[in-house]
Amino acid sequence: NAGVTQTPKFQVLKTGQSMTLQCAQDMNHNSMYWYRQDPGMGLRLIYYSASEGTTDKGEVPNGYNVSRLNKREFSLRLESAAPSQTSVYFCASEGLAGGRGTDTQYFGPGTRLTVL
Amino acid sequence: SQKIEQNSEALNIQEGKTATLTCNYTNYSPAYLQWYRQDPGRGPVFLLLIRENEKEKRKERLKVTFDTTLKQSLFHITASQPADSATYLCALHTGGFKTIFGAGTRLFVKA
Repeated sequence: NAGVTQTPKFQVLKTGQSMTLQCAQDMNHNSMYWYRQDPGMGLRLIYYSASEGTTDKGEVPNGYNVSRLNKREFSLRLESAAPSQTSVYFCASEGLAGGRGTDTQYFGPGTRLTVL
Repeated sequence: SQKIEQNSEALNIQEGKTATLTCNYTNYSPAYLQWYRQDPGRGPVFLLLIRENEKEKRKERLKVTFDTTLKQSLFHITASQPADSATYLCALHTGGFKTIFGAGTRLFVKA
């Protein structure tokens, strides 16, 4: 199993450009998440999808859109990139921790995005 | 406001000693609390989970305590090794589909 995969690993954009970050999981999890991580701050939730066909805003959704394409894939789109969106982006899926009725998150390797 | 606080400064310890990391929170009533490890350039990896009705949880050299009265969790690594050097994140599961993460504490273990 690959777990959670993300593409691309690195990206440099100019202000105003658009791009889509891709995420896929092969663990048959229902819930998927997009976070951004900035120095000195915890992971901040951008959007999440509780199940296929549903998406909801997290703490910092402005400037982003998401698509839950199917159960495996959850993409994050920046329509018009801004320097404030320079960050490391992590995708995660959520499943049972050892089958004990509690959920834990499994993270991808991250996408390092710089907006000039 | 709701906050999670972890030691903002890095923790430097000698190999073989016990590392203790702190996670404090306010205005939450978490169903359970988790600790993750994050290495540079990588995503967080789950280590341990402790429920609100559990006082302590152990896994090999790791131990987590959870005091819901003090609103605090302590994360211990005994007999620490240089390979334990990483950033450790505390995360609260508050119900629903949202997990709140702390900013993390960097641990350096010197040989």
